[in-house]
Amino acid sequence: QVVESGGGLAQPGRSLRLSCSSSGFGVGDYCMNWIRQAPGRGLEWVGFIRGKGHGGSTEYAASVKGRFTISRDDSNSVAYLEMSNLNSEDTGIYYCSKSSNSYGYGGWFDLWGQGTLVIVSS
Amino acid sequence: DIRLTQSPSLLSASIGDRVTITCRASQAINNYLAWYQQKPGKAPKLLLYAASILQSGVPSRFGGSGSGTEFTLTISSLQPEDFATYYCQHVKNYPLIFGPGTKVDIK
Repeated sequence: QVVESGGGLAQPGRSLRLSCSSSGFGVGDYCMNWIRQAPGRGLEWVGFIRGKGHGGSTEYAASVKGRFTISRDDSNSVAYLEMSNLNSEDTGIYYCSKSSNSYGYGGWFDLWGQGTLVIVSS
Repeated sequence: DIRLTQSPSLLSASIGDRVTITCRASQAINNYLAWYQQKPGKAPKLLLYAASILQSGVPSRFGGSGSGTEFTLTISSLQPEDFATYYCQHVKNYPLIFGPGTKVDIK
């Protein structure tokens, strides 16, 4: 399973770090994704970090590129989403999801966490 | 970027109905398509991948078909637990896009 944590209230322009802890598998063995859902809206892929087999490179949606950073700690099997320069459009539930492969493209999101809520407001 | 559209956006149906949801891609994505189910307040759940392969544990009343640009999700006999929002997603290349969703509610 995967469990997200770290959500909460953040002021516009500030930063927040979310965590995704895995059990039953190592986050370094698969591509790990972050997906968000604004209130009452659909799903938006935020980005991913590839598995060790594909160099651990990252890709980001255009809406967050340059502001969000995904990393991971293989020894503790935790993936992170560091969010900076937050704005109101970043408000929503953030999900962590495991891909079915290490590369990302061509992989299915086969395991999801319960999500953590981020609210950006002054 | 590849765009996905879903139709209908809202579908009202009764228990036992056969339900079909369509997902169209703006360009060919082979069979790099998944379907997810999301119930209110819950995380999405993978139903089908590679357009037509049922994820382990998903009831056989769910089925998928299609390739290229047009795909369908079919529920052969709608059950009470199937009332939810359904999303398609392509995983062919950057960026990974979800369709806008189809809400299935009670008629």
